[in-house]
Amino acid sequence: AQSVTQLGSHVSVSEGALVLLRCNYSSSVPPYLFWYVQYPNQGLQLLLKYTTGATLVKGINGFEAEFKKSETSFHLTKPSAHMSDAAEYFCAVKGAAGNKLTFGGGTRVLVKP
Amino acid sequence: GAVVSQHPSRVICKSGTSVKIECRSLDFQATTMFWYRQFPKQSLMLMATSNEGSKATYEQGVEKDKFLINHASLTLSTLTVTSAHPEDSSFYICSARSRRMNTEAFFGQGTRLTVV
Repeated sequence: AQSVTQLGSHVSVSEGALVLLRCNYSSSVPPYLFWYVQYPNQGLQLLLKYTTGATLVKGINGFEAEFKKSETSFHLTKPSAHMSDAAEYFCAVKGAAGNKLTFGGGTRVLVKP
Repeated sequence: GAVVSQHPSRVICKSGTSVKIECRSLDFQATTMFWYRQFPKQSLMLMATSNEGSKATYEQGVEKDKFLINHASLTLSTLTVTSAHPEDSSFYICSARSRRMNTEAFFGQGTRLTVV
């Protein structure tokens, strides 16, 4: 069984400030971890993923995330928020040999001018 | 990159009618497709998983006779909401995975279904 917890359903940041979205997971097998972004009335776009290898993963739009096995975490960060980062963000986990993605509850990011 | 096209993007239908949503992988062969439902301000809930040429596997609590899934080819899966009711109004999203790129799935744009 696997599950994902995203701390904070809403995050508000000022433009230019650090964006930090928290994700903790549980998985009985080595996980594959993902962050997706969703804009209103659209599907999901992959920001980045961790499968194996380097634990610090860089994605699109300046985002990065670090896989910390000891903390079962995969937090998403961006050094400087842009207005276009306002969206819903989902963390997801999949067992390496498994088929299904399990999503966290999502975090809505609001960027203030 | 891999592209998944979902159609229609929005549909309004009357109670009691059926609605078909299509999900196509445009530049890869989708051996597995997934259908999700998303209520406002909530996360995605997996409804069913389908493998090409096989019957779909439904998640617990999802009525297979109401949500008919067909995955007849490696590039097309369809979800038919039969005898739709207002409570079926939701955002439906498909995703597709290929055997070659099996570490991730690619998502369609979603379909906003409104049943009146």
